Amino acid sequence: DTEVTQTPKHLVMGMTNKKSLKCEQHMGHRAMYWYKQKAKKPPELMFVYSYEKLSINESVPSRFSPECPNSSLLNLHLHALQPEDSALYLCASSRGLAGPYEQYFGPGTRLTVT
Amino acid sequence: AQSVTQPDIHITVSEGASLELRCNYSYGATPYLFWYVQSPGQGLQLLLKYFSGDTLVQGIKGFEAEFKRSQSSFNLRKPSVHWSDAAEYFCAVGGPNSGYALNFGKGTSLLVTP
Repeated sequence: DTEVTQTPKHLVMGMTNKKSLKCEQHMGHRAMYWYKQKAKKPPELMFVYSYEKLSINESVPSRFSPECPNSSLLNLHLHALQPEDSALYLCASSRGLAGPYEQYFGPGTRLTVT
Repeated sequence: AQSVTQPDIHITVSEGASLELRCNYSYGATPYLFWYVQSPGQGLQLLLKYFSGDTLVQGIKGFEAEFKRSQSSFNLRKPSVHWSDAAEYFCAVGGPNSGYALNFGKGTSLLVTP
C-alpha cells in the first residue's frame, strides 16, 4: 500500500479562522513533507519532518504551524491566513532522509482563504 | 545549487504518437531524478526514478526515461500516447546536498488530440 491520505479535500476559511489539515500514511515511512502548490506551478516545499522532528522549514510564515504527533500523522495548523495562501496543499512521505527515497504524495487539500 | 529545467511549457501530441518530454538538471553531486505526473486537481504520482545503475529506467504506464550525465538530461519517453496521458508532468531532482528534498521543474502540460 503506497497511499497517503489527506483531509479535508476542500477547505474554505476566513482570514480570522483557525483550521487544520491532516495527513496520514501507514507505510512505515519516517519522513513526511508539506508542499504548497499554486495553480499552474510546481509544488514548493514548506516543511520536512524526520522521525517526528522538524528537519526543514523553508522560511514559511508563522501563520502555518506544522505538527507531527507520531510517525504516521502530520498536521498543518492554519491561523490568520491571507487570500494569497489559497492553494493546493500536498502532503508526502518517504522512507527517510538518509538516502535516495522516492516521495509518495497524497491527493492534496484545496484551500481557499476568503 | 540544484535546479531543474523543463524547456517545454506545453506539448501537444496526437493519440498514438510518440512522446518525449525534456528535463535538464543542475546538481553538484550524483543527482537522484524523478518524473511525476499530476492530473487536474490531483496529487502527484511517481512515474519513475533514477538513483544509479542502468541509465534507461522503466516506469509505470509504459513510460521510460534515460539519464545522460554528459548532457545533464533525464528525458521522459513513451512510444504511443493515450488520451488518458493528458496531464502535467514534473521532473524533479534531489540528493544529499538538500537533505533529499525534491526540487521540481516548472512542469510540462501535455495535451493529447484525437
